[in-house]
This record gives sequence, C-alpha cells and structure tokens, in this order.
Amino acid sequence: EVQLVESGGGLVQPGRSLRLSCAASGFTFDDYAMHWVRQAPGKGLEWVSGISWNSGSIGYADSVKGRFTISRDNAKNSLYLQMNSLRAEDTALYYCAKDLGPRVVVTATWGQGTLVTVSS
Amino acid sequence: QSALTQPRSVSGSPGQSVTISCTGTSSDVGGYNYVSWYQQHPGKAPKLMIYDVSKRPSGVPDRFSGSKSGNTASLTISGLQAEDEADYYCCSYAGSYTLFGGGTKLTVL
Repeated sequence: EVQLVESGGGLVQPGRSLRLSCAASGFTFDDYAMHWVRQAPGKGLEWVSGISWNSGSIGYADSVKGRFTISRDNAKNSLYLQMNSLRAEDTALYYCAKDLGPRVVVTATWGQGTLVTVSS
Repeated sequence: QSALTQPRSVSGSPGQSVTISCTGTSSDVGGYNYVSWYQQHPGKAPKLMIYDVSKRPSGVPDRFSGSKSGNTASLTISGLQAEDEADYYCCSYAGSYTLFGGGTKLTVL
C-alpha cells in the first residue's frame, strides 16, 4: 500500500525558512515523479512544485518560484520542500503527492498533509 | 498561471446526473490530454477520480466519467448518491507546471 507521510510543518515567522519532508513507502520511489500541493484554510488546491523521477525536470508555481526548492533523495525514499522567505499567504496544509509515472504530469496518491502557519 | 475556471457549486437529486465543467486555455486543458479530477470530502485528502481526461483509476465507480472539448473539460457523475457530496477539483498539465481549478461544491439534495 502506498504511504506518504509529510512532516516539518509548524508555526514560523514571516521571512523565515522551513523544510518539509515526505517519507514514501509501498512503491518503488525512484520510478515516479512527485509533487507538493497546498491548500490554504477554507480554500482550494494549489499546485506548488513537481519533480521527475531523476530530478531532471522540476517545475514551480509562479507564486513560489525563487523562494521554494523541491528536491528528492531516492536512496532515502524521501521528498523535500525547502521554503524560504515565507509569507503569510504561504499558510496552508501542504500535501505530498505521487504521480502516475516518472514525469511530472498528474498527482495521483496523496498524503494527509502537514500544516504550515506563517505568522508573527 | 491562472487557475482553471469551475462553477462554484452544482446540485442534483439522488439518481440524477450532474456535470461539472472546467475551462482553461490552449496552453493547458486544450493543449494536452492530461486533465484529471479529484474528489475531496471535508477534512480529507483529495482522491483521484479521473486522469488523462477520461480514464478511471482502479476502484472508482463507472458512474464517474470525464471528457474534453477544446479548452473545456467536464466531469459527469451519473446515478448520484449521497456519498458523492463533496468538493471536486479539475487539474491540467501545462508543460512546465500544473494548474488546478477553483473547485466545485457538489450538493446532493
């Protein structure tokens, strides 16, 4: 069974940094692209970033480009999101999601999310 | 990167059919056959219901179907059931990024 467990969320001040992690199990991690998607309280889904199976293709939403960095460690079956220069509007539940294939195309299976709150 | 356009809400009675539209541009919905749909119940993670415009993952009832015409994709739910009441989101691949719609709240009357 596919399992995705996010961690690293919490309360952080504006302008500070936070690193999210996603531990994957139940599938061959390095066969699949991975994504981060967020959902602000009471709002809709927003794709944040995606990374291909070998990190050769990476994409970001305009809203986080230049501030967030996605990465993966296939040896550790882990996905990461380094978030710098955080803003109040980055407050959201951050989901880790597995793609259906090796390229960044579609978010298929989702974790339960980790909550990031940016506030002074 | 503008969000895809969905109606805010739709409703239907048990047994009826409803269709949710998702409008984008030729750079996303119209340019690729990579439209997906998600169901989200309150407090739960989204669940993939349709991918590649019209394919259903294993375990998704065939009451759920997807289609696309030009820059607009659609999700049709036939034989509405009470448990179908949820938020539904469309999503489209757009080359170097992915876009979601604003979401549609489905109410089963």
